[in-house]
Amino acid sequence: QITLKESGPTLVKPTQTLTLTCTFSGFSLSRSGVGVGWIRQPPGKALEWLALIYWNDDKRYSSFLKSRLTITKDTSKNQVVLTMTNMDPVDTATYYCARQYSNIWDTFDIWGQGTMVTVSS
Amino acid sequence: DIQMTQSPSSVSASVGDRVTITCRASQGISNWLAWYQQKPGKAPKVLIYAASSLQSGVPSRFSGSGSGTDFTLTISSLQPEDFATYYCQQATHFPSFGGGTKVEIK
Repeated sequence: QITLKESGPTLVKPTQTLTLTCTFSGFSLSRSGVGVGWIRQPPGKALEWLALIYWNDDKRYSSFLKSRLTITKDTSKNQVVLTMTNMDPVDTATYYCARQYSNIWDTFDIWGQGTMVTVSS
Repeated sequence: DIQMTQSPSSVSASVGDRVTITCRASQGISNWLAWYQQKPGKAPKVLIYAASSLQSGVPSRFSGSGSGTDFTLTISSLQPEDFATYYCQQATHFPSFGGGTKVEIK
């Protein structure tokens, strides 16, 4: 069974750095064609892709947020970490991690349950 | 960046109705298009990938079509469990999502 779970703070202050961890099981991020991405969703709004990391350590970032994002992986721990600097109230959202798999045309086929992050002083 | 535009933003329909949602990409993406269903408080669930391939376990009343810039998701006979919000997503190396279509009970 493939699962992903997001963890991190539920509340951060403006200007702080957010660090989120995606812990997964049932697949390997060393396998060719596999990636893990981060997607967020502000309350009542649409999904927004943030970042992707691939099995070969290739990394992709949203052009809108590229300067604030860093994505890394720890294959031995089955974890992917996303950091976002200079948090602002507009970054309040549910943050999801999801597996991307080349066998199904790079679709995000398995998602975590999401973690709600509120940015407020 | 590739922008994805969905229409309509919401649709009211009855059980048994045929529902069609469209998605347009700002530039050609071949068949690199997925559709997701999201219910309140839940993570999205993939329905269709490669524009027209049904994900395993998804009912056959869902279908996708299109290529290039214009895509369609069709629900052939709406069921009570289908009332949800639907998103398209272009699946290139820099993904992006459409704005969503909420399917509501008429």
